[in-house]
Amino acid sequence: EVQLVQSGAEVKKPGATVKISCKVSAYTFTDTFTDYYIHWVQQAPGKGLGWMGLIDLEDGKTIYAEKFQGRLSITADRSTDTAYMELSSLRFDDTAVYYCAKGPSGTLMDVWGQGTSVTVS
Amino acid sequence: SYVLTQPPSVSVAPGLAARIACGGNNIEVESVRWYQHKPGQAPVLVVYDDTVRPSGIPERFSGSKSGNTAALTINRVEVGDEAAYYCQVFDGVNDHPVFGGGTKLTVL
Repeated sequence: EVQLVQSGAEVKKPGATVKISCKVSAYTFTDTFTDYYIHWVQQAPGKGLGWMGLIDLEDGKTIYAEKFQGRLSITADRSTDTAYMELSSLRFDDTAVYYCAKGPSGTLMDVWGQGTSVTVS
Repeated sequence: SYVLTQPPSVSVAPGLAARIACGGNNIEVESVRWYQHKPGQAPVLVVYDDTVRPSGIPERFSGSKSGNTAALTINRVEVGDEAAYYCQVFDGVNDHPVFGGGTKLTVL
């Protein structure tokens, strides 16, 4: 079964930048890293899930939610099967758990990472 | 941006059925997904393409759609089903997924 393993918790000061990794492993027999899309989803304390952005691992195309335009960068390293989410100019309300999730397309998230807590304080 | 509306909470006794609704404009033409999210865990896809269960999801979970409302029904609810449930569609105008606000299922 495909697994997504995220990097550990972060504590950052306002104005700083955080970069979270998401390593994909244990592919199915027919899949490779570039067959997937990787989404990033934010969950602030007491709030619901909010889609942030995605990367098409085949061509590196990214789409970002308007809320994060200009502060969010999603990248991927094919050599290590790892995707990254970088959020800059951190604010107190960026305190949240951030999830990566893979999907066969840009419309669906079928396997999720365990989440990474980011505290801005 | 496309808006999906869910009730904040649903309560049900063990062994009974729970129905969680998700409303959206023209949702009848959208493909609806449902995710289960327990505190401290990764969300889990429980239904996609309106009615399809991924491998490993119990048959007690089923999706349906009628008019402007999609629904997730959980039959014979168990204590372990207590979680937040989110519906999700793809907003073709803005070219990205959209989540509903989530419904907290409480098993009494």
